[in-house]
Amino acid sequence: DAMVIQNPRYQVTQFGKPVTLSCSQTLNHNVMYWYQQKSSQAPKLLFHYYDKDFNNEADTPDNFQSRRPNTSFCFLDIRSPGLGDAAMYLCATSRDYTGDYEQYFGPGTRLTVT
Amino acid sequence: DQQVKQNSPSLSVQEGRISILNCDYTNSMFDYFLWYKKYPAEGPTFLISISSIKDKNEDGRFTVFLNKSAKHLSLHIVPSQPGDSAVYFCAVRDDKIIFGKGTRLHILP
Repeated sequence: DAMVIQNPRYQVTQFGKPVTLSCSQTLNHNVMYWYQQKSSQAPKLLFHYYDKDFNNEADTPDNFQSRRPNTSFCFLDIRSPGLGDAAMYLCATSRDYTGDYEQYFGPGTRLTVT
Repeated sequence: DQQVKQNSPSLSVQEGRISILNCDYTNSMFDYFLWYKKYPAEGPTFLISISSIKDKNEDGRFTVFLNKSAKHLSLHIVPSQPGDSAVYFCAVRDDKIIFGKGTRLHILP
């Protein structure tokens, strides 16, 4: 059973053309995260939602936005993708943000910018 | 600056032998450490963790060792199996989870 689902799995967009990546979860977890992972690099946290509270990492560019319309769905919007934004984007969830929580990851969306 | 370092990008181990994956961290205040495993075309999955109050945690074939004075942890897999071929990420929990770059483990037949 899929628990964290990301659509699409592969996305191609043009330089400067807005793109939205989607994540949904069936775990009813409070927290949803977006990570960016470039080739041979560590996954880097962009932001997370605790319920409806949005928490942006200090070094996340303004070009990246997120929406969480309900518990199950979270979206990553890239307003004007640049070539440097080509990466794997991973969505993850966790029950909580404190304690010995575990994060559950989706399979990722690989973004190509042409 | 990398706070979590996995200095070996890849490792090849014969099936049946022990695989040892290493990880170093910079901040002695980190108190919770995790290992994630990632297959191609899948997201990382949690494998095993250890709290700083322990120096060893074992789960079946997987054992994580923590050396706080050296700020070093390692994951031992014994015996190694073909299905263990994957990328392994070391991570620490601060106010968020901070990942290393990963080590690609190849189990050779």
